[in-house]
Amino acid sequence: DVKVTQSSRYLVKRTGEKVFLECVQDMDHENMFWYRQDPGLGLRLIYFSYDVKMKEKGDIPEGYSVSREKKERFSLILESASTNQTSMYLCASSFSRILDIQYFGAGTRLSVL
Amino acid sequence: GNSVTQMEGPVTLSEEAFLTINCTYTATGYPSLFWYVQYPGEGLQLLLKATKADDKGSNKGFEATYRKETTSFHLEKGSVQVSDSAVYFCALTPSAGGSQGNLIFGKGTKLSVKP
Repeated sequence: DVKVTQSSRYLVKRTGEKVFLECVQDMDHENMFWYRQDPGLGLRLIYFSYDVKMKEKGDIPEGYSVSREKKERFSLILESASTNQTSMYLCASSFSRILDIQYFGAGTRLSVL
Repeated sequence: GNSVTQMEGPVTLSEEAFLTINCTYTATGYPSLFWYVQYPGEGLQLLLKATKADDKGSNKGFEATYRKETTSFHLEKGSVQVSDSAVYFCALTPSAGGSQGNLIFGKGTKLSVKP
């Protein structure tokens, strides 16, 4: 079975903290993605990666960075968390970049106080 | 640019009612079209997809037909169940350009089915 695992379901952090959100996939997929999901806005792409140590900006990269040191792991980093980064964060992976299904993790609900 | 517009919710139906969730898109070329579903407390999962004009995607009683002439991909089900209560997202992947291969989502439509 396809599996994308996000390390935490719920996180509470304080403004200014450095936050790491971890995502691991066990399907040997080349591509991994980070989205944030907000009511009324749907899903917006933050960053994606098509290979190890490779990253590209999505639609809303400001305030975020990513790391992909191993094929199966893709980390989202909030260098200095702010209250407007309170959101649901979803990780996804896919085998092929073109025309392929993305598989999603269950999400991490982050609250920044 | 590329975008997806879907009907705003929430949509509330009684069990066994007919469901339609409208979705229209803007894209250059020939995008692939998807419906994803998010059940409460879970991530998104693919419901169905269509990769070219006039294709019909279907799964779990849901159907959607890729209509290039109306740039639409409406989701339908003849008889909904309580277990269909979820948020439904229409999405596309562009066939060309810098966003090729990336999913572009609509804002989602929440469906509640009452017994």
